[in-house]
Amino acid sequence: QSALTQPASVSGSPGQSITISCTGTSSDVGGYNYVSWYQHHPGEAPKLIIFDVNNRPSGVSNRFSGSKSGNTASLTISGLQAEDEGDYYCNSYTSSRIPVFGGGTKLTVV
Amino acid sequence: EVQLEQSGAEVKKPGESLKISCKGSGYSFSTYWIGWVRQMPGKGLEWMGIIYPGDSDTRYSPSFQGQVTISADKSISTAYLQWSSLMASDTAMYYCARGTSGITRIEFWGQGTLVTVSS
Repeated sequence: QSALTQPASVSGSPGQSITISCTGTSSDVGGYNYVSWYQHHPGEAPKLIIFDVNNRPSGVSNRFSGSKSGNTASLTISGLQAEDEGDYYCNSYTSSRIPVFGGGTKLTVV
Repeated sequence: EVQLEQSGAEVKKPGESLKISCKGSGYSFSTYWIGWVRQMPGKGLEWMGIIYPGDSDTRYSPSFQGQVTISADKSISTAYLQWSSLMASDTAMYYCARGTSGITRIEFWGQGTLVTVSS
């Protein structure tokens, strides 16, 4: 059970859109519509921003959206804001009946 | 209000044992999966394992099988993560997390327990 593959870092300017990919296998991302995304700022607990591939929890900005194609899921953040800086992790349920995280992506708003 | 309250920071020596805790409140503790997540310094989040307190069904990620023990006492709504012999490489922040819809997503997290292992 290997970690899902994410780019180590992405960057964008305020107002722009960025997309973070999350690649797994047919045993995790491709096999289940149970991909979730978390925003993590140092010193805080992670925050759920997308669940079940493309659903937003109540209170999460509609600037965050998710999608999936085959074994790859994606998180898109539109209208980038400085407060979006942080680490982003994808997560998927797996055939081993235990979830797996991606390696994490550091988002910089330049 | 759902809350997960973790035990405080620990400083231990290599070879020592340790048990940290995560107390749930504001929901039916027995009927939701609880997981433990490790974050080593400068590294990403890793699932260590999960437990269903209702029947103590426990699953470990391969990297952690045999390295730690996850347990729960539903009578006091508390989950535990324990080590029998700590190593310096166990130095990390450890989060407990409550699953929703099985363990398909995590809506509630503990505040984290920092474990430092140093001689």
